[in-house]
Amino acid sequence: DAKTTQPPSMDCAEGRAANLPCNHSTISGNEYVYWYRQIHSQGPQYIIHGLKNNETNEMASLIITEDRKSSTLILPHATLRDTAVYYCIVSALVVTASKLTFGTGTRLQVTL
Amino acid sequence: GAVVSQHPSRVICKSGTSVKIECRSLDFQATTMFWYRQFPKKSLMLMATSNEGSKATYEQGVEKDKFLINHASLTLSTLTVTSAHPEDSSFYICSARPLPLAGGVNNEQFFGPGTRLTVL
Repeated sequence: DAKTTQPPSMDCAEGRAANLPCNHSTISGNEYVYWYRQIHSQGPQYIIHGLKNNETNEMASLIITEDRKSSTLILPHATLRDTAVYYCIVSALVVTASKLTFGTGTRLQVTL
Repeated sequence: GAVVSQHPSRVICKSGTSVKIECRSLDFQATTMFWYRQFPKKSLMLMATSNEGSKATYEQGVEKDKFLINHASLTLSTLTVTSAHPEDSSFYICSARPLPLAGGVNNEQFFGPGTRLTVL
């Protein structure tokens, strides 16, 4: 699986948009970009994933650059409950087991 | 959404004893489950991939005789930490990947809430 690079930490004011960047310059054609988050002492929670088109769901939006070498996760209106470590992962989409390799992630702190 | 449970949520045991952790997919079937370990302030480290009805695949450096994995059904995988020692104290997390829908594929995984193991 391709490696990802994320800033170690970010701050965001409550109610503002949180934009979390991720670099994945070695991503290959069959690899998707996945985002998970982990709130303290809990299991990771799936947020969103995409291949090349921008994606949006009830939690977030995912913007993938045209060359697919980087992406941005957007939480449109961050709340205190969004404080967590956010992991950007690239992984091939195959039926046979394809593991998720977690990097160090970005620790997002949402403040009042 | 799909729910994965783990039992127990936390366990304290004496050094030398064995501890079993269960991972269940509650509302879906999973041919593949994954076991991770996480030390304080560190990222998740994949320990092994568990496939229903076959032997688990362990990551490099993970002792298969110490961390026994059984995946006897499509909804249950167990991790047994044998002869536990204080250095095995950690947060153990499982995840499960649903069977792909007809005609579709997905690598989305659903994670359990984790089991905190403390070995005295």
